[in-house]
Amino acid sequence: KQEVTQIPAALSVPEGENLVLNCSFTDSAIYNLQWFRQDPGKGLTSLLLIQSSQREQTSGRLNASLDKSSGRSTLYIAASQPGDSATYLCAVRVVGGYQKVTFGIGTKLQVIP
Amino acid sequence: NAGVMQNPRHLVRRRGQEARLRCSPMKGHSHVYWYRQLPEEGLKFMVYLQKENIIDESGMPKERFSAEFPKEGPSILRIQQVVRGDSAAYFCASSPAGLATQLSSGANVLTFGAGSRLTVL
Repeated sequence: KQEVTQIPAALSVPEGENLVLNCSFTDSAIYNLQWFRQDPGKGLTSLLLIQSSQREQTSGRLNASLDKSSGRSTLYIAASQPGDSATYLCAVRVVGGYQKVTFGIGTKLQVIP
Repeated sequence: NAGVMQNPRHLVRRRGQEARLRCSPMKGHSHVYWYRQLPEEGLKFMVYLQKENIIDESGMPKERFSAEFPKEGPSILRIQQVVRGDSAAYFCASSPAGLATQLSSGANVLTFGAGSRLTVL
C-alpha cells in the first residue's frame, strides 16, 4: 500500500527566503507525482506534474524534483512571497491496471511579510 | 473549458437526512475520483469511477455511501442517513483516459473541482 509523507507539517518563513518542501513515498512503482496548492476553504490547484521518467519540472519560481529510487520529491520555492502562503500537497499516482492517487497530508506554509 | 464542476458548494443536512453531491468532469475526461477531506486532515481516496463502472471503491465506507457515474450526466456521491462525522469537504477530480502509452508534459493531470462542503447538524 502506497504511503505518502510530507515534512514539515508546517513552515513559517520571512518573505524573500528560498524554501524546500519534502515528500516521500513508500512504493517507487509510480506513474507520476503531482504537487498541488490548497488555499483555506478552497479546492486544489495543480502546480507541477512530474512523470516517472522525468527528474524535475519547473514553473516560474517553483521547481519540483523526483528521485524514484529513493522515493522522494522536493518542491523548491524561490524568493517566497506572502501570496505563497497555502497548504502544499504532494500526490502520487501508482502504476498498473488503473490509477489511483495517494495524497500526503500536506505542508502548511506561511510567508511573513 | 469550465473545468471540473461540483455542486452544491455548501450543503447543510440534519442527522438522518440524505446528501447528494454532484460532479461534472472536464470535457473529454472519462475518469472521476472522489476524495474526502476532514478538518485538519489530508485528502483520503474514496472511489474511482469510469463511465457506468466503479473501478475501485476501497476507500468508501461500506454502509450509507454510494457513487455512480452514469452514461449521461454527472457523477453522484450519495450519503444516506448522514451523521455528524460525515461533515467534511468532498472533492471530485477528473483525468483523461489513463494508461497512455506516450507520456508528455500535462498528460494525465488530475484536475480538481472546488469541492462540496457538507455540514451535518
